Amino acid sequence: QQQVKQSPQSLIVQKGGISIINCAYENTAFDYFPWYQQFPGKGPALLIAIRPDVSEKKEGRFTISFNKSAKQFSLHIMDSQPGDSATYFCAAEGSNYQLIWGAGTKLIIKP
Amino acid sequence: SAVISQKPSRDICQRGTSLTIQCQVDSQVTMMFWYRQQPGQSLTLIATANQGSEATYESGFVIDKFPISRPNLTFSTLTVSNLSPEDSSIYLCSVRQGGDYEQYFGPGTRLTVT
Repeated sequence: QQQVKQSPQSLIVQKGGISIINCAYENTAFDYFPWYQQFPGKGPALLIAIRPDVSEKKEGRFTISFNKSAKQFSLHIMDSQPGDSATYFCAAEGSNYQLIWGAGTKLIIKP
Repeated sequence: SAVISQKPSRDICQRGTSLTIQCQVDSQVTMMFWYRQQPGQSLTLIATANQGSEATYESGFVIDKFPISRPNLTFSTLTVSNLSPEDSSIYLCSVRQGGDYEQYFGPGTRLTVT
């Protein structure tokens, strides 16, 4: 019940295309859902986050879609660029403010 | 957002020795976390470090192996003791500021045990 399932494990998208990464959770007590971007040799960087009282949040080319009833949320990267090539992690905040992490998605944007 | 630094950025240590990793934040924070990340893998929480109290360890992590100090609201250390090659990993600290859901990460410390 504490798991966050992330898919796909890897994703290749053409430059200018839309990248979509999906996550699903079980615990309805989760109330904060961030996405992190991690480049090789760097720590994860907070990209965008959402709380369950909204269904969508957009920041620039990055959008989170949230479906509370389905217990799913997804990251959409519009107009994907080679600089977006990185590993993306979804997470959910559980008890004691701890983040429960997805397995990660390695995104490659082909020029 | 908080700016977090870690020292060392990387180290190569011999089996049986210990490494202490420092985490410094540019502002006072209520909660600090220590994670381990194997290359190509997700993050695993080691412990939560709150100032003025004992660290809370996750299942599979014990204080004797991973002692943590949190002397003030801007600093913490994680020691990885009695090193074995299985401890080779990236160790990350993160912080969560009170009232703010956002959690920020340091750049990580890459540990290699030979």
